[in-house]
Amino acid sequence: KQEVTQIPAALSVPEGENLVLNCSFTDSAIYNLQWFRQDPGKGLTSLLLIQSSQREQTSGRLNASLDKSSGRSTLYIAASQPGDSATYLCAVGGYGGSQGNLIFGKGTKLSVKP
Amino acid sequence: DTGVSQDPRHKITKRGQNVTFRCDPISEHNRLYWYRQTLGQGPEFLTYFQNEAQLEKSRLLSDRFSAERPKGSFSTLEIQRTEQGDSAMYLCASSSRQTVSREQYFGPGTRLTVT
Repeated sequence: KQEVTQIPAALSVPEGENLVLNCSFTDSAIYNLQWFRQDPGKGLTSLLLIQSSQREQTSGRLNASLDKSSGRSTLYIAASQPGDSATYLCAVGGYGGSQGNLIFGKGTKLSVKP
Repeated sequence: DTGVSQDPRHKITKRGQNVTFRCDPISEHNRLYWYRQTLGQGPEFLTYFQNEAQLEKSRLLSDRFSAERPKGSFSTLEIQRTEQGDSAMYLCASSSRQTVSREQYFGPGTRLTVT
């Protein structure tokens, strides 16, 4: 059974800091991994997607890496801003040959203080 | 693209009533997904459609839940005889079969409260 774990559950940092969010999964048989942002009471915004054959993806101040063999992914946020405050979720797709099922972690709640 | 839309955004109902939610995917996206999210948890997969065919269903989708996508465009999720445990955010997502990545794009969700 695939399980996704995100550490830490919550993180508070001062504005301007670089930070790393961690995601681990128990089974490396995945098709892709997606990082999402969720603001309170809202839907999910896709940040980055890494396919299983890729090692990393970058978008602006965000960089996501994937080490499939060790079952780990990290989301690096450079020069954090108060507007980055949100819950960050990672999800793995394609486990067990599924075409549709994303399996999510519980998220990391990030607070960036001005 | 106008994004994934969901209606209603909020629904309050009494226990035992039936409710129906609607999801409109991004146009030309032939894959559509439903998830449920409770407070403090990540979303959990419910079901998946490719065009009008329902290809995957989670065991979370009890007999009281039914989903349809009759013409391969919008989808509906119906919950019969609602229970307090059904209170959650119901999220819809879509993706295109044309892209290898299968990236899923989510709507704003429908918040259900069962009293």
